[in-house]
Amino acid sequence: EVHVEESGGGSVQPGRSLRLSCTTSGFTFGDYSMSWFRQAPGKGLEWVGFIRDKDYGETTEYAASVEGRFSISRDDSKGIAYLQMDSLKTEDTAFYYCSRAPWGSYRYFPDYWGQGTLVTVSS
Amino acid sequence: DIQMTQSPSSLSASIGDRVTITCRASENVINYINWYQLKPGSAPKLLIYTTSNLQDGVPSRFSGSESGPDFTLTISSLQPEDFATYLCLQTYTTPWTFGQGTKVEVK
Repeated sequence: EVHVEESGGGSVQPGRSLRLSCTTSGFTFGDYSMSWFRQAPGKGLEWVGFIRDKDYGETTEYAASVEGRFSISRDDSKGIAYLQMDSLKTEDTAFYYCSRAPWGSYRYFPDYWGQGTLVTVSS
Repeated sequence: DIQMTQSPSSLSASIGDRVTITCRASENVINYINWYQLKPGSAPKLLIYTTSNLQDGVPSRFSGSESGPDFTLTISSLQPEDFATYLCLQTYTTPWTFGQGTKVEVK
């Protein structure tokens, strides 16, 4: 059974850093790209970014709102994806979700998601 | 960025009703539209991928289709466990973008 679980959320002051982890099981992690999303209080879901699998060079793409501040990495030996968040802003306050992103019909489609972890950025 | 316009934002329905939710993209997304079910405290659940493909384990009362610029999620006969929020997501090009969501409530 595929399982995805986010961790590492918490409260942090503006300008500080936080690293989220996405721990997985039930599938061959190295064969899949992984994506991050977030949902701010009272707002809709927003795509944050993704990291391709090693066959595609583990390349990454990010939303403009986090480009240059957030970075996604992966450890295929552990089945974990990471979201490093630097220079955090109050508007980064949100639930953060991780998902597996299989490649099908020439595009990705996020399938299995975690339940999310809350990040609160406040002074 | 591609804007996804989802309608309605909410609807009231009864058990057994046929429910239809629509998303329209501001640009061509080919057929790279996925549909998700959201419930509080639970992980988002993929229902339909690439317009009309039913995700494994999802009941066959859920279906997806395309007509012109509109992408549609249909629940053929609403069940008690289907009261939730539904979202579309385009993955044709980055940034991936979501519709605003449709909350399906009890009439």
